[in-house]
Amino acid sequence: DQQVKQNSPSLSVQEGRISILNCDYTNSMFDYFLWYKKYPAEGPTFLISISSIKDKNEDGRFTVFLNKSAKHLSLHIVPSQPGDSAVYFCAASGSGTYKYIFGTGTRLKVLA
Amino acid sequence: ETGVTQTPRHLVMGMTNKKSLKCEQHLGHNAMYWYKQSAKKPLELMFVYSLEERVENNSVPSRFSPECPNSSHLFLHLHTLQPEDSALYLCASSQDWGAGTGELFFGEGSRLTVL
Repeated sequence: DQQVKQNSPSLSVQEGRISILNCDYTNSMFDYFLWYKKYPAEGPTFLISISSIKDKNEDGRFTVFLNKSAKHLSLHIVPSQPGDSAVYFCAASGSGTYKYIFGTGTRLKVLA
Repeated sequence: ETGVTQTPRHLVMGMTNKKSLKCEQHLGHNAMYWYKQSAKKPLELMFVYSLEERVENNSVPSRFSPECPNSSHLFLHLHTLQPEDSALYLCASSQDWGAGTGELFFGEGSRLTVL
């Protein structure tokens, strides 16, 4: 049973518009969440994180929102750029497990 | 030097071969990890080493054998693998293991094909 789910395998967005990538989790013990970006033939690179004491964290064009009651987080990229085209993974960990549980990823394509 | 380096980047092996994947981190981290990425599946944690001691083994078959000789190096020894073991194997490191692990730093991965 997948504890972290990314239900959209792919997403296409026009350059300059907003990209919204979603992630749902089932374990209420998760209290720390991360987003990673992965280009082909490269390892995942860390983008942004959020702990459960916050509901929003911003870093430049990237903002992560956390809705604990819905067990949902989202990554917003504004404005989207062609270089943002990659696979995005969300990951979660929490009390009782220090392991990061990853989702299956969403492939984002930003169209020029 | 990049943070986490993996060799080889690509490996093709037969089911009776023995080979090893190597990972080296230059970040001064205390924890190192092996993950497996198969098509359309989440990254699966295989092993975690903290200060050279194995702290996690996620029910990985014995044909995968990890080794951590020091906090900077991690190996994954492979023997009598199956075709379904073909995947991208990712090494990662973090400052520590446990509360306050922080972000993982990944290598570029070793693409393994088992014939």
